[in-house]
Amino acid sequence: KQEVTQIPAALSVPEGENLVLNCSFTDSAIYNLQWFRQDPGKGLTSLLLIQSSQREQTSGRLNASLDKSSGRSTLYIAASQPGDSATYLCAVRNSGNTPLVFGKGTRLSVIA
Amino acid sequence: EPEVTQTPSHQVTQMGQEVILRCVPISNHLYFYWYRQILGQKVEFLVSFYNNEISEKSEIFDDQFSVERPDGSNFTLKIRSTKLEDSAMYFCASSDSVVYSNQPQHFGDGTRLSIL
Repeated sequence: KQEVTQIPAALSVPEGENLVLNCSFTDSAIYNLQWFRQDPGKGLTSLLLIQSSQREQTSGRLNASLDKSSGRSTLYIAASQPGDSATYLCAVRNSGNTPLVFGKGTRLSVIA
Repeated sequence: EPEVTQTPSHQVTQMGQEVILRCVPISNHLYFYWYRQILGQKVEFLVSFYNNEISEKSEIFDDQFSVERPDGSNFTLKIRSTKLEDSAMYFCASSDSVVYSNQPQHFGDGTRLSIL
């Protein structure tokens, strides 16, 4: 059974810092991996989707990498801003039509 | 940009009552999902729906739950005889196609269900 773990559970950084959020999964035979942002009491906003054949995806200040063989993904946020404060969720899909399996998330606070 | 919309945003119901949570997926999407998130816990899969039938369901999705696509736009989750432990945020999601695998799942803002 696929398990997804995110470390750290919470992170507080000063504005302007670059930071890395970690995601690991137990079954490396994934189909794709998706990073989401969740603001308090709100829904999930998809940030990046990495297919199993890809190594990384970039969108603006965000870069997500995937090392499938070791069961790891990282989300790199450059030049963090207070508006980046949210919970970041990692989710994997084991095959094309299976549901997403989520980690518990990393709660990020960027202090001005 | 097209969005998944969910109504209501907050539902308060007495234990034992039935609730229907409503979702309007993105119009050209073919796959629909319900997930839930109990406060402080992970987002958990409930059910997926394709071609007017359930394609997969989790252990959580027992006889208390049902889904329906009553028309060409709505996708509903019905919970019968609600229990206190059904209190959670319920998310609807949709995706275009699993054949074209670069399509992410798009989520709605959720319905917060509170059982009293």
